[in-house]
Amino acid sequence: DAGVIQSPRHEVTEMGQEVTLRCKPISGHDYLFWYRQTMMRGLELLIYFNNNVPIDDSGMPEDRFSAKMPNASFSTLKIQPSEPRDSAVYFCASSFGGIYNEQFFGPGTRLTVL
Amino acid sequence: KQEVTQIPAALSVPEGENLVLNCSFTDSAIYNLQWFRQDPGKGLTSLLLIQSSQREQTSGRLNASLDKSSGRSTLYIAASQPGDSATYLCAVSGGAQKLVFGQGTRLTINP
Repeated sequence: DAGVIQSPRHEVTEMGQEVTLRCKPISGHDYLFWYRQTMMRGLELLIYFNNNVPIDDSGMPEDRFSAKMPNASFSTLKIQPSEPRDSAVYFCASSFGGIYNEQFFGPGTRLTVL
Repeated sequence: KQEVTQIPAALSVPEGENLVLNCSFTDSAIYNLQWFRQDPGKGLTSLLLIQSSQREQTSGRLNASLDKSSGRSTLYIAASQPGDSATYLCAVSGGAQKLVFGQGTRLTINP
């Protein structure tokens, strides 16, 4: 298996623009997680899905952030409008069988908002 | 609220040494604890997962222990190699906070 796939790997955009990050989980995994990593706050869980349904989005920082999972093999995290403080590395992870089971992470998307 | 602390923040040792990385957490009501490795510019790789009912897990030169009652875990790396250089993160899961990560220990193994 190719593992969790994220695109793009790097994104540079200007403040106010819409940003869409993409994730393809490992085939057969039924949980998908979006995390954000910054120097100040470390790794934080933003939202997670089970069987394509959003279960807990309490970590989403603001209404500017939204996430969707239209099918079992694809998820998006959208920021609209983007702000410089959104600059971070965004990771997608997936797991099978339970929220607390081993998670497999993608390589991340490094977002820079100017 | 669960808090995870890793000490030291950075560690530099010569090749061949055995070393211990520490992780502590404030709420002992955890489901499991995971150790991850993160290489610069890359994602996280799961190294070991210890269930709350277990005391330790081993994989090759790595051994992780868990003392849930005291809120502590250690990752032991035997016979360290330059390829072990990376940031090591521990994360605990359980309750409403799902997976909570420490800030990591940046390990450098000098040839």
